[in-house]
Amino acid sequence: EPEVTQTPSHQVTQMGQEVILRCVPISNHLYFYWYRQILGQKVEFLVSFYNNEISEKSEIFDDQFSVERPDGSNFTLKIRSTKLEDSAMYFCASAAELNTGELFFGEGSRLTVL
Amino acid sequence: RKEVEQDPGPFNVPEGATVAFNCTYSNSASQSFFWYRQDCRKEPKLLMSVYSSGNEDGRFTAQLNRASQYISLLIRDSKLSDSATYLCVVRGSSGSARQLTFGSGTQLTVLP
Repeated sequence: EPEVTQTPSHQVTQMGQEVILRCVPISNHLYFYWYRQILGQKVEFLVSFYNNEISEKSEIFDDQFSVERPDGSNFTLKIRSTKLEDSAMYFCASAAELNTGELFFGEGSRLTVL
Repeated sequence: RKEVEQDPGPFNVPEGATVAFNCTYSNSASQSFFWYRQDCRKEPKLLMSVYSSGNEDGRFTAQLNRASQYISLLIRDSKLSDSATYLCVVRGSSGSARQLTFGSGTQLTVLP
């Protein structure tokens, strides 16, 4: 069964450092997303990406965040200067259709900022 | 009022029990509705969509009441494997017609 894969599964970083989280969406999917979940809290939308550009972004997705699809398979989330409050599980998701409710999530990358 | 609000639980029920979860949403213009399941420290997975007429998938029944802005999920004959957090998800809630807004989830533990 096709799946979304994410790396690393866990990253520990110092405050102020840059991190890049990587995702390989399902190969025939066109719509890509990043969500985050702070421990014990709800899943929150960060950004959606289609046709090599950002479709929508939330208030959380400020100038410290960026996304990129550098090649035909990877989809990355970069945090330029991490803050303590960026500690969370970051989920990548992909979808085959635009207005579908079925997003396929990766297993997540847990980011711990010290 | 929260965009998508759920009773956090936890709900602890014996195997074989019937359990119901409720969810309310604040934006009357919300377009579509879903239940996702999230196991502990895992990713969310779509359980089922929720249709206006109500829909059933095996032991799971979802209902939508647009007038009351209320969604429900009923699980019959609970299994140990049903233990998880159930997320109410709404499209078109947070000012975006397309993005999914997740509730905080209702935790279910099915006991042997």
